[in-house]
Amino acid sequence: AQTVTQSQPEMSVQEAETVTLSCTYDTSENNYYLFWYKQPPSRQMILVIRQEAYKQQNATENRFSVNFQKAAKSFSLKISDSQLGDTAMYFCAFMKHTSGTYKYIFGTGTRLKVLA
Amino acid sequence: DAGVIQSPRHEVTEMGQEVTLRCKPISGHDYLFWYRQTMMRGLELLIYFNNNVPIDDSGMPEDRFSAKMPNASFSTLKIQPSEPRDSAVYFCASNLGGLAGGLTDTQYFGPGTRLTVL
Repeated sequence: AQTVTQSQPEMSVQEAETVTLSCTYDTSENNYYLFWYKQPPSRQMILVIRQEAYKQQNATENRFSVNFQKAAKSFSLKISDSQLGDTAMYFCAFMKHTSGTYKYIFGTGTRLKVLA
Repeated sequence: DAGVIQSPRHEVTEMGQEVTLRCKPISGHDYLFWYRQTMMRGLELLIYFNNNVPIDDSGMPEDRFSAKMPNASFSTLKIQPSEPRDSAVYFCASNLGGLAGGLTDTQYFGPGTRLTVL
């Protein structure tokens, strides 16, 4: 069975600094997808970035980038130039899609606080 | 598009009462998912539908929970009778589906319904 582990329950970072959130997962699958979602106090789940396991290149979305290490089953999120609006819970998620059948597994989340 | 719409945003009820949560997916999306979020268990997938048909309900906690999708634009999650341990935030999400591995697999979440059972 797949599992997703986020070992940092809480983190803080100074505004404009860089922070890295960790995520590890366990799977025997070869083709799958990984996501980072942001959940601000408004509770809305917002997609931050996604990574296809078959791609070696790390995904990047503006200030957000990932370090995807497939062999190590690691998928960390780096936030550069942190902003106050980045304060939120961040969830790492694993997804497998096969012929219309989905498997989604979410981590327990990391609460990030950006300090002014 | 207005995104995934859920109602109500907040629901407070007493133990034993029936609760119905509603969801309208993004137009054109073939897949609809129901999740439950609690502090103890995090985000759990309860059930999902493809083209209005339930595909996997293995996450539904017990028979008190049921979900329906009578058409492509509406789904309900019902709890009858409700219990205090059902208190949680319930999310609905949808994605386009299609070929495995495409960008169409990205899920879009609704704002959630915070349920409190007294």
